[in-house]
Amino acid sequence: DTGVSQDPRHKITKRGQNVTFRCDPISEHNRLYWYRQTLGQGPEFLTYFQNEAQLEKSRLLSDRFSAERPKGSFSTLEIQRTEQGDSAMYLCASSINLASTDTQYFGPGTRLTVL
Amino acid sequence: GDSVTQMEGPVTLSEEAFLTINCTYTATGYPSLFWYVQYPGEGLQLLLKATKADDKGSNKGFEATYRKETTSFHLEKGSVQVSDSAVYFCALRNSGYALNFGKGTSLLVTP
Repeated sequence: DTGVSQDPRHKITKRGQNVTFRCDPISEHNRLYWYRQTLGQGPEFLTYFQNEAQLEKSRLLSDRFSAERPKGSFSTLEIQRTEQGDSAMYLCASSINLASTDTQYFGPGTRLTVL
Repeated sequence: GDSVTQMEGPVTLSEEAFLTINCTYTATGYPSLFWYVQYPGEGLQLLLKATKADDKGSNKGFEATYRKETTSFHLEKGSVQVSDSAVYFCALRNSGYALNFGKGTSLLVTP
């Protein structure tokens, strides 16, 4: 169990550019989540996958945001035409669907700064 | 909609002091409740959880009891250590899959 990993850990970009983040969940975890955390706030839910299917999306996920999880393994989150308001920590979490528990395990996050 | 309210921080305590971080929630139905902790420079870690009323979650000396009558899930520890300095987040999960977090409470424990 190597934990949830995210890449890159930090990303600085200019307004209007596109960025893509990657999340590798704990192996055999069939559920994957993306959250966004801004300074002084708790994480806010963005989207959820069960295997390769995207089952839930927050209204925070504007049409500039897209997430994929091909083959039900790693996931990518892309932000197109970035805005300064997109600056935040993007967190990925994974869990396994067991009857007794469904604990979400978080990765270290990708910190995005939009200049 | 569902929401979680935590006490404002930062909280500063001396080592071996008693800790309480208040958390109340608003939700329909019977949510599961969680405390996550974020140590400096690290990711969020689950500290403890409770899935039904009157359940007590406990871990590493921390405890929290799910009180449906007061819609609360206060975090307590009898004797804090410097290594407990971190940001603590209360969260709930209701009928969906998403965790709904509070704003977090920063704890600083001084020697």
